Amino acid sequence: SYELTQPLSVSVALGQTARITCGGNNIGSKNVHWYQHKPGQAPILVIYRDTNRPSGIPERFSGSNSGNTATLTISRAQAGDEADYYCQVWDSNTGVFGEGTKLTVL
Amino acid sequence: EVQLVQSGGEVKKPGESLTISCKGSGYSFRSYWINWVRQMPGKGLEWMGTIDPTDSYTNYSPSFQGHVTISADKSITTVYLQWSSLKASDTAMYYCARRLPTAGFDLWGQGTLVTVSS
Repeated sequence: SYELTQPLSVSVALGQTARITCGGNNIGSKNVHWYQHKPGQAPILVIYRDTNRPSGIPERFSGSNSGNTATLTISRAQAGDEADYYCQVWDSNTGVFGEGTKLTVL
Repeated sequence: EVQLVQSGGEVKKPGESLTISCKGSGYSFRSYWINWVRQMPGKGLEWMGTIDPTDSYTNYSPSFQGHVTISADKSITTVYLQWSSLKASDTAMYYCARRLPTAGFDLWGQGTLVTVSS
């Protein structure tokens, strides 16, 4: 089965840039989606198909995908960005989530 | 308003059966597949399976195949997740979410907490 690897945690200083990676075999050939999940709330789609932002998602959120790594970049990090972030792909009609990365804004 | 509204939390005993629901409104229900996602306490998101409300075609994660059943009643724009015999390890938050092909899960329900304990 296809596996996605994320760092367990990432820390970023307030106002700086956070990068969360998602590793997978030839992930660059797949569409990668990213979700923000805060405690007590439902997850929110923040990036779909590698680089696209749904309406209402700030331009500070961006994505890239190439080779064996997809990356979610959060510019000018705010306290409100603290959350768990998950990457997700489809492999052989099966949904696959990464293990999740806890983003801490210092 | 475009939304998915899930049924309320449940407390059950091992071996009991359970059905939870997810009702879509404010959009063309048949245009989006509905998925179920599990989050066990302190753990990450896990995709369980999906259903096409148009014809009730289903596809399950191998990890959940045979243990849960996903069904739909398009006449009332509702999708269900069913267990015939719960285990303590089924204790989790369950989310429904819709998606279009090649797209992500763009709309989520609020979650249903299922607690299984003797």
